[in-house]
Amino acid sequence: EDKVVQSPLSLVVHEGDTVTLNCSYEVTNFRSLLWYKQEKKAPTFLFMLTSSGIEKKSGRLSSILDKKELFSILNITATQTGDSAVYLCAVDPSGGGADGLTFGKGTHLIIQP
Amino acid sequence: DGGITQSPKYLFRKEGQNVTLSCEQNLNHDAMYWYRQDPGQGLRLIYYSQIVNDFQKGDIAEGYSVSREKKESFPLTVTSAQKNPTAFYLCASSDLGRGVLKKTQYFGPGTRLLVL
Repeated sequence: EDKVVQSPLSLVVHEGDTVTLNCSYEVTNFRSLLWYKQEKKAPTFLFMLTSSGIEKKSGRLSSILDKKELFSILNITATQTGDSAVYLCAVDPSGGGADGLTFGKGTHLIIQP
Repeated sequence: DGGITQSPKYLFRKEGQNVTLSCEQNLNHDAMYWYRQDPGQGLRLIYYSQIVNDFQKGDIAEGYSVSREKKESFPLTVTSAQKNPTAFYLCASSDLGRGVLKKTQYFGPGTRLLVL
C-alpha cells in the first residue's frame, strides 16, 4: 500500500524563524512529489518535484527531493504569520496524476507574531 | 475567470438521505477527482475520472457514487450507505496533456458536509 508520512504533524514557531517540513514516502511507482498549502479551504499548489537534488524555489519557500532516500523537505525562511497553514505533501504514483494522488496527513504550521 | 467551483459551501444531511455535491470546472481539464478530508488527516481519494462517461474508484469509494456526463462537471453523491459522511469534500481537476507539470491537480474551495 502506498504511504506518505509527514513530520512533524504540528509545529509552532515565532515570526522570523526558519522551518523545515519533512515528507517521506513508500510507493510502488513514483513520478512526482507535490507540496500544497492549505489555509482553511482549497489546497493551493506550491511545488512539483520529479528529479533528485534539484531545488525548487519560490520566494522564501524552497523544496528538494531525494529519490534515493525517498523523502522531500519544504523549507520556509523568515516566516510570517501568513505562512500559518497546513502543508500537504502528495505523491503521484501513476505517471501523470491521472489516477489520483496519495497524500500525507499534513503539517499544521502556526507562526506566532 | 477560470477555475473550479464547488457547491454548496455547507451541506446538511439527515439520516438515510442521499445528497449530491456539485463540482464544475472551466479549465478544459480532462481529469477530475473527489477527495475526502477528515480533521487532522490528509486527503483520501474517493473517485476519479479521466474522460467523459468513465470513472474509477479510489481508495474509499464505498457509500459514494459519481457521474461524468460532461467534461466540465463531476458531481458526487453521498448515499445513505456512507455511515460516516461528515467531512470536508474537495474536488480537483488536472490536464492530461504532455508534460508532468501540466498534470498538476488544482482544487476547488470544498464542501463541508455535516450530518444532522
